[in-house]
Amino acid sequence: GQNIDQPTEMTATEGAIVQINCTYQTSGFNGLFWYQQHAGEAPTFLSYNVLDGLEEKGRFSSFLSRSKGYSYLLLKELQMKDSASYLCAVRGGNKLTFGTGTQLKVEL
Amino acid sequence: GAVVSQHPSWVICKSGTSVKIECRSLDFQATTMFWYRQFPKQSLMLMATSNEGSKATYEQGVEKDKFLINHASLTLSTLTVTSAHPEDSSFYICSVQPGTTEETQYFGPGTRLLVL
Repeated sequence: GQNIDQPTEMTATEGAIVQINCTYQTSGFNGLFWYQQHAGEAPTFLSYNVLDGLEEKGRFSSFLSRSKGYSYLLLKELQMKDSASYLCAVRGGNKLTFGTGTQLKVEL
Repeated sequence: GAVVSQHPSWVICKSGTSVKIECRSLDFQATTMFWYRQFPKQSLMLMATSNEGSKATYEQGVEKDKFLINHASLTLSTLTVTSAHPEDSSFYICSVQPGTTEETQYFGPGTRLLVL
């Protein structure tokens, strides 16, 4: 099975940088995804890591260490619209297992 | 990426009735679709994997006789919640996996079910 842990809530200031951590314990690993989900909406894809290292995509970066079972999502130059839930998900086989999500609140 | 639609987006029903939710892959032929459920302030939980032309694969703890899945074509999967009860009230989301496992799943907009 899969066990995925994320902080429940985080607060950050507009324009700042925030790092959202995710640790996982899995019986199979075929990639780690980060999604953004606004209230009442479906998740939208942010990033994908399957090899160790950093993947950068605009204001968003994601890091993976498979040996440590650890990933983080880095959001730079925070904007108010970044207030949302951020979901870490691990793929095993063709199935995605989601963490409980981190509710990020961006304040002025 | 793939475009996925769901219908209806909102449904309110009485306890004991059945509700059908449709998931359509608009620009991609999907042999596999996934159905998730999300309760308030919780994460997505995979309910079942819908396979075109064959039986769905249900996750542990999901009653296959209560949550009927039909995947009759490469662009349509349906989830029927039979004899719905208030505890079935949730956000139901489907997704498709377009190609290789390196790609993300693409999610539909979700269906919010409220059972009175």
